[in-house]
Amino acid sequence: GENVEQHPSTLSVQEGDSAVIKCTYSDSASNYFPWYKQELGKRPQLIIDIRSNVGEKKDQRIAVTLNKTAKHFSLHITETQPEDSAVYFCAASNRRRGGSNYKLTFGKGTLLTVNP
Amino acid sequence: GAVVSQHPSRVICKSGTSVKIECRSLDFQATTMFWYRQFPKQSLMLMATSNEGSKATYEQGVEKDKFLINHASLTLSTLTVTSAHPEDSSFYICSARWLDETQYFGPGTRLLVL
Repeated sequence: GENVEQHPSTLSVQEGDSAVIKCTYSDSASNYFPWYKQELGKRPQLIIDIRSNVGEKKDQRIAVTLNKTAKHFSLHITETQPEDSAVYFCAASNRRRGGSNYKLTFGKGTLLTVNP
Repeated sequence: GAVVSQHPSRVICKSGTSVKIECRSLDFQATTMFWYRQFPKQSLMLMATSNEGSKATYEQGVEKDKFLINHASLTLSTLTVTSAHPEDSSFYICSARWLDETQYFGPGTRLLVL
């Protein structure tokens, strides 16, 4: 089955700096890669996702890049703010042709702390 | 965005009792719902995939008779923890699939078994 590795497990940055979180996946058939933000005791919230037919996607201060050859994808947050502090999870899934297997495999998470 | 609710948000029960958790998609019809378990400071562990009108698909190591899942309609799935024990204490989160691969999560249910 799919295996998703996420690094680093913790990341501390100064407000205004950039933060980068990296993930690798094992199943070359995976074709959907979402990123979720989870604040303490709250639900995971989808912040951005990317599909395998594109290499990069950007939404304001957040961007995701995908390298299918190397099987890794990264989350980039620019101009970080204290409210960006949370746990970030990457995930991967493979929507098999003709099937209904949409399940996500999650990385272990990265605790991002943005210091004022 | 799509809204998913979960009830109850918190439950405390005695060992040996059963607890039912509801997951609802409020503004869309979800053909697939997922149930996850999350331990403190850990990632989300998929327990089962619930499809409306059919039996749930459980992940390896998850006891079907322990964690009963019913997906009776396109907007409601339930997870029943039967004969709960302290080791079942955890944060249970559901998600609902909208359109293609996108999953939206409920707020979670914190279960404490005494």
